[in-house]
Amino acid sequence: GAVVSQHPSRVICKSGTSVKIECRSLDFQATTMFWYRQFPKQSLMLMATSNEGSKATYEQGVEKDKFLINHASLTLSTLTVTSAHPEDSSFYICSASPSAGRYTFGSGTRLTVV
Amino acid sequence: KQEVTQIPAALSVPEGENLVLNCSFTDSAIYNLQWFRQDPGKGLTSLLLIQSSQREQTSGRLNASLDKSSGRSTLYIAASQPGDSATYLCAVHAGGTSYGKLTFGQGTILTVHP
Repeated sequence: GAVVSQHPSRVICKSGTSVKIECRSLDFQATTMFWYRQFPKQSLMLMATSNEGSKATYEQGVEKDKFLINHASLTLSTLTVTSAHPEDSSFYICSASPSAGRYTFGSGTRLTVV
Repeated sequence: KQEVTQIPAALSVPEGENLVLNCSFTDSAIYNLQWFRQDPGKGLTSLLLIQSSQREQTSGRLNASLDKSSGRSTLYIAASQPGDSATYLCAVHAGGTSYGKLTFGQGTILTVHP
């Protein structure tokens, strides 16, 4: 149980276009989901906390207009990278908490902007 | 601000060795601590979760200990196997409640060679 599905696993896009990444909790409801970014050989950095039915909470230094987050239902959060540029190329991972203090992670999305 | 440090950054051992991975954190006011495994280009798999009131957790060949007062945790892997090769991440759930955020260490890259 407690599975988080993330799609797509890999995406290549042209500079200036937008890319949407989906994160779904398959067997539990998630009022809160978390989006992380991971650079090569580095750890996970929390980008934002996605809240169902309300605005996301962004970490310091993360551009809200660049990384749009929508959490329209209790099982789905989306991250849209707008006007992507090569420096946005990274590994993005989502997470949700099926029970207090426990976290389940998606399989990640490798974004390459060319 | 919680900071998490993992030592060593990388470790290469022959198959069959017992090994210890170290994690230290600066703020002892934690809810729990988790050890994760990450394979290249993949998401995170939870290995062990230690609540702040616990001293250790065991799962198969893995044993994790927690000394909250000194801000340290260790992950002990017994009889290592090539399949154990991966990046191991330590994450601290900040604050004294279940609503805190995860702060990750930089990870230890483990290579077990036959």
